[in-house]
Amino acid sequence: DGGITQSPKYLFRKEGQNVTLSCEQNLNHDAMYWYRQDPGQGLRLIYYSQIVNDFQKGDIAEGYSVSREKKESFPLTVTSAQKNPTAFYLCASRPGQGVVYTEAFFGQGTRLTVV
Amino acid sequence: AQTVTQSQPEMSVQEAETVTLSCTYDTSENNYYLFWYKQPPSRQMILVIRQEAYKQQNATENRFSVNFQKAAKSFSLKISDSQLGDTAMYFCASLYAGNMLTFGGGTRLMVKP
Repeated sequence: DGGITQSPKYLFRKEGQNVTLSCEQNLNHDAMYWYRQDPGQGLRLIYYSQIVNDFQKGDIAEGYSVSREKKESFPLTVTSAQKNPTAFYLCASRPGQGVVYTEAFFGQGTRLTVV
Repeated sequence: AQTVTQSQPEMSVQEAETVTLSCTYDTSENNYYLFWYKQPPSRQMILVIRQEAYKQQNATENRFSVNFQKAAKSFSLKISDSQLGDTAMYFCASLYAGNMLTFGGGTRLMVKP
């Protein structure tokens, strides 16, 4: 089945440690996104990528890093520089340029708790 | 930066009645796309409806319809015959050239029996 897989569903880390959230898609989509969602809040864009080996900062990129070495994978690293990393993280993908009238498809999210 | 604003943090509606959720956006682009997503308690994001900016006709999907006012940069969602399963967070989103997909702050909708 085609889709987006985020892992793990729940993640606990100690303060000061870097942690990497996984996002894999088998939809052959070019564009991928990472969003942060705090309780009762909207989705804020962290990073997005339009194509392999390319990515752009979103509204809240500070303290995060990404890579896009493969079309199907877009991992997000939450670094120790992120002051308040506890949140729900959502990954999404869509076909990208040339196929604009399409929505984004979302993974099931990763709940990160830093203690 | 593109912005999407949802001015109603919470709303409630009686089952079988109609409710309208508001959304405004800010863009200088001429070609763009707008979406409404639903996020139930499971937190899975589900597309409700989409609208292309160059189309004047308002999109409709069963009980869901939009009122797209391009000049006013307004994109409201109307839910008719509300059902208990419509209880969720609803997010308005915009997509512009360059693939930046921006979401509003959300409206929490409660459908009461």
